[in-house]
Amino acid sequence: RKEVEQDPGPFNVPEGATVAFNCTYSNSASQSFFWYRQDCRKEPKLLMSVYSSGNEDGRFTAQLNRASQYISLLIRDSKLSDSATYLCVVLGWSDKIIFGKGTRLHILP
Amino acid sequence: GAGVSQSPSNKVTEKGKDVELRCDPISGHTALYWYRQSLGQGLEFLIYFQGNSAPDKSGLPSDRFSAERTGGSVSTLTIQRTQQEDSAVYLCASSFFQHEQFFGPGTRLTVL
Repeated sequence: RKEVEQDPGPFNVPEGATVAFNCTYSNSASQSFFWYRQDCRKEPKLLMSVYSSGNEDGRFTAQLNRASQYISLLIRDSKLSDSATYLCVVLGWSDKIIFGKGTRLHILP
Repeated sequence: GAGVSQSPSNKVTEKGKDVELRCDPISGHTALYWYRQSLGQGLEFLIYFQGNSAPDKSGLPSDRFSAERTGGSVSTLTIQRTQQEDSAVYLCASSFFQHEQFFGPGTRLTVL
């Protein structure tokens, strides 16, 4: 099992819809989780940290499921500007930070 | 405050030449990371510094790649005898210990 796995997509979603994607991780001792977004030809930017209790920031909600070892990102009322690649990040073995390969999201007008 | 900066933003070099890429992390950040990303691909971890030491060099692709960090701040990534397969965007990120990473804009390296 890969350390961090994401569905590469692309997810093609109409504007205004709700979309969710998951990221699975293999190290049950992982403590820190993050979602980043990366626009084409740009550097990754932190979207949100993922806390054990889950957290919400506007239209974005992140959840952690330790039992099944995955984190999720939910985007409500999607906008055209949400089109990007979403990277899952896990703090893994020996404090090693591991990036997923990303999930591509296309919001369709 | 200033974010992570990298220089040069673009570098075109001939095969076989050496190149040096620079990263200035956010002031006070203890950890510094180097990644590279080829077009349409995910991030490839290269090396990580905590202070001036590199606990994890596992991602360096070959002995042509080396990196150093001085004064707990600026880092340079050196690629010797560049090859065409070294062409990529080289990204630097910094963080306060193992917290959220903040990325620089990257250096786009093209080896002809």
